[in-house]
Formats: sequence, C-alpha cells, structure tokens
Amino acid sequence: DVKVTQSSRYLVKRTGEKVFLECVQDMDHENMFWYRQDPGLGLRLIYFSYDVKMKEKGDIPEGYSVSREKKERFSLILESASTNQTSMYLCASSPRARGVGEQYFGPGTRLTVT
Amino acid sequence: GQQLNQSPQSMFIQEGEDVSMNCTSSSIFNTWLWYKQEPGEGPVLLIALYKAGELTSNGRLTAQFGITRKDSFLNISASIPSDVGIYFCAGRTGTASKLTFGTGTRLQVTL
Repeated sequence: DVKVTQSSRYLVKRTGEKVFLECVQDMDHENMFWYRQDPGLGLRLIYFSYDVKMKEKGDIPEGYSVSREKKERFSLILESASTNQTSMYLCASSPRARGVGEQYFGPGTRLTVT
Repeated sequence: GQQLNQSPQSMFIQEGEDVSMNCTSSSIFNTWLWYKQEPGEGPVLLIALYKAGELTSNGRLTAQFGITRKDSFLNISASIPSDVGIYFCAGRTGTASKLTFGTGTRLQVTL
C-alpha cells in the first residue's frame, strides 16, 4: 500500500527559528514534492525533486530550501520562519513512469509560526 | 501558477443523491487526476486519466477525460455521509514537470 509519512502533524515555532519538515515515502518513487495549502489559494508548489540530490524550484520557493540525500526522504527547510509561513504543508511523491502524475500525498503538517 | 476552474465551488446534497462536478482549463492537458481531501488530512488520489475520452470508475465514482482535453468530470452516485470532503482536480500539460490543481469543490451530504 502506498505510504507517505510526514514527521509532524502539528508544529508551533517562533519567528526566526529554523524549521525542518521531513517527508518519507516507502514506494521507491523517484519524484517528491512539497506544497503549501492556504484557504482560497489552493495547493502551491514550493519545490520538487526528481532524483537524489536534484531539486527544482516550484511556484513559491522564496524563504524555503530543500534537501534530498536519500531517495525515500525529502526535507523542507524554513531558514528563518516568519508568520506568513503559517500554513498546511503537504509532501507528495510519484513514480517516474507516471511523470509527475499520480502524486500520493502525506497527511500534512500544520505549521503555526508565532 | 495557473489554476484550473472547478465548479461548483460547493454542494449541499442529500444522502442518496448523485453528484456531478467538473474542471476546465484554457490549456490542453494530457493527464487528469481527481483527489479527495478530508479535514486535516492530505489529498487522496481517487482516479487518474490518461487518454481523451477515457472513462474510469472507482466504486461509486466515475471520472471522464473530456474529448477536447480541456476538461474533466467527476460523478459520484448514491452519495453517503462519508463522501463529505473537498474534491480537487489536477492536470498536467504536455511535458510540464508539475501538476496544476483546481480550486476544489466542497461537498456536504445531509441525512
């Protein structure tokens, strides 16, 4: 069964803190993605990776960085958290054979920055 | 980034009714996907479509890839309370390296 897990369901951080969001998939997928979801704005792509150590900017990469040292793990880093980064963060993965289609999502991390 | 137009934005229906929703784009898509998201959870993939005109079912759900390749439709038959959630369409154009998501249809089912 398809499984994408995220390290935390809820997270509260202070402004200026460095924040790490971890995502792990057990499906041997090549592609992994980070999105944020905000009311009225839908899902917006932050970064994606189609292979280990490879990364591409999405639509809203500012204020974020990513790391993919192993195939199964994709980390999102907020270098200095700000209140406008309060959001629901969703990780997804997809097999290369399906391009970027058939993305499977994790349960999400609801991050609050105070 | 581009968003797909999804309608209706919300629906309030009675248990047992059939539901129809659609998604339209100004661009041609070569992949259409339908997801369901429940409160506090990530989207769950329901159906994936890869060919114009394709009709695919998953239980009480049926989705179609429009023949113009600019739209897709999702039908839910005989709705039940656990169908409640937000339904998203998503699509991919050409060799794009990312998906474009719809704005979502919020479905409420009353007994």
